[in-house]
Amino acid sequence: KNEVEQSPQNLTAQEGEFITINCSYSVGISALHWLQQHPGGGIVSLFMLSSGKKKHGRLIATINIQEKHSSLHITASHPRDSAVYICAVRRRGSQGNLIFGKGTKLSVKP
Amino acid sequence: DSGVTQTPKHLITATGQRVTLRCSPRSGDLSVYWYQQSLDQGLQFLIQYYNGEERAKGNILERFSAQQFPDLHSELNLSSLELGDSALYFCASSFGQARGPNYGYTFGSGTRLTVV
Repeated sequence: KNEVEQSPQNLTAQEGEFITINCSYSVGISALHWLQQHPGGGIVSLFMLSSGKKKHGRLIATINIQEKHSSLHITASHPRDSAVYICAVRRRGSQGNLIFGKGTKLSVKP
Repeated sequence: DSGVTQTPKHLITATGQRVTLRCSPRSGDLSVYWYQQSLDQGLQFLIQYYNGEERAKGNILERFSAQQFPDLHSELNLSSLELGDSALYFCASSFGQARGPNYGYTFGSGTRLTVV
């Protein structure tokens, strides 16, 4: 079993819809990252969380440390949000390297 | 531009060959991490350097090696290349050794390696 599980694997939405991507992990962590990867490959760090909730524009990320679960929400989705969203965790006590989920491929249709 | 520079962006080479991938971290960052992204395995950690010293190793093959130089740039050397080594190789950097929860993490745009 992977240490970081994401769901769903694929998600198709209509423009304007509210989107939720989930991430569960099985190890103790010091931080959780949400990453975005567009076709063409580059990876952008969206959020780093160790507790609570963060918001940036239309993106909201939450984490529940006790339940070992995080969610990434996109409000008023737009075709430019189409990308792969990757959850990654930094294991507590590690040197900082990340353990990644398999990613969620999001496609937002106009 | 994220501030992390990876070169080359694309590399096509034959089996059995050796290549070197280069990463310049964001200004002020001391840690460099190398990751491999393949279609079947996803993103996997290879190796980390902090201020010139190796700090952590992941799923890095013996045919692969890395180093971080005094100017903090890092090189990943891949030798005796096999078809299965075809992947995207990412470098990321951070300021510290990332023991605390509040450090930043910046990825480069990756090097796409194709072994034919």
